[in-house]
Amino acid sequence: DTGVSQDPRHKITKRGQNVTFRCDPISEHNRLYWYRQTLGQGPEFLTYFQNEAQLEKSRLLSDRFSAERPKGSFSTLEIQRTEQGDSAMYLCASSSGDRFSGANVLTFGAGSRLTVL
Amino acid sequence: AQSVTQLGSHVSVSEGALVLLRCNYSSSVPPYLFWYVQYPNQGLQLLLKYTSAATLVKGINGFEAEFKKSETSFHLTKPSAHMSDAAEYFCAVSAMYSSASKIIFGSGTRLSIRP
Repeated sequence: DTGVSQDPRHKITKRGQNVTFRCDPISEHNRLYWYRQTLGQGPEFLTYFQNEAQLEKSRLLSDRFSAERPKGSFSTLEIQRTEQGDSAMYLCASSSGDRFSGANVLTFGAGSRLTVL
Repeated sequence: AQSVTQLGSHVSVSEGALVLLRCNYSSSVPPYLFWYVQYPNQGLQLLLKYTSAATLVKGINGFEAEFKKSETSFHLTKPSAHMSDAAEYFCAVSAMYSSASKIIFGSGTRLSIRP
């Protein structure tokens, strides 16, 4: 297993364009998380999935953001009509989730850095 | 709801000195607590976690943390700093006994090691 993979590693786009990031989790992990990290800050929770079900989405997330995990394997995070404030590192993490899933360790990918000009 | 506060965005210590990184948590239910480390140009990785089995938790690379419920703290320590410890450290919290629990991170503490 090669860990959590994210693609692309770096995306530069113009304001108003749409971007999509892909995350391939560790194959046996049924939970997948998206976080956003800006310089000097900790990861900010965006959303997470249990298999293909999106269990929670941050209230801070605008309607321009959407995430999917159609077959419970890889996930995509799409940002529509990007704004300069969307510039950040987008992190994906996966874990195995059981009843006491809060204790499960997250395995993070290297992240996808978004720069909006 | 859960949250963590990391006191000090930047800590600098001399090589061989004690490392102390502070974390206070807030949780309406019993918490799980974590420390993650992020080395330059690398992804976050787990350093240690508290899951109620023992209040003193030992992690990798000689780090340990003690859960103190009365102080709502989970400070990270290492007796003797090494140059390779220079990194960003994040404290995190999630809810115990929850079937749907996200993990909330603090804002991080950057640790610098002076030769």
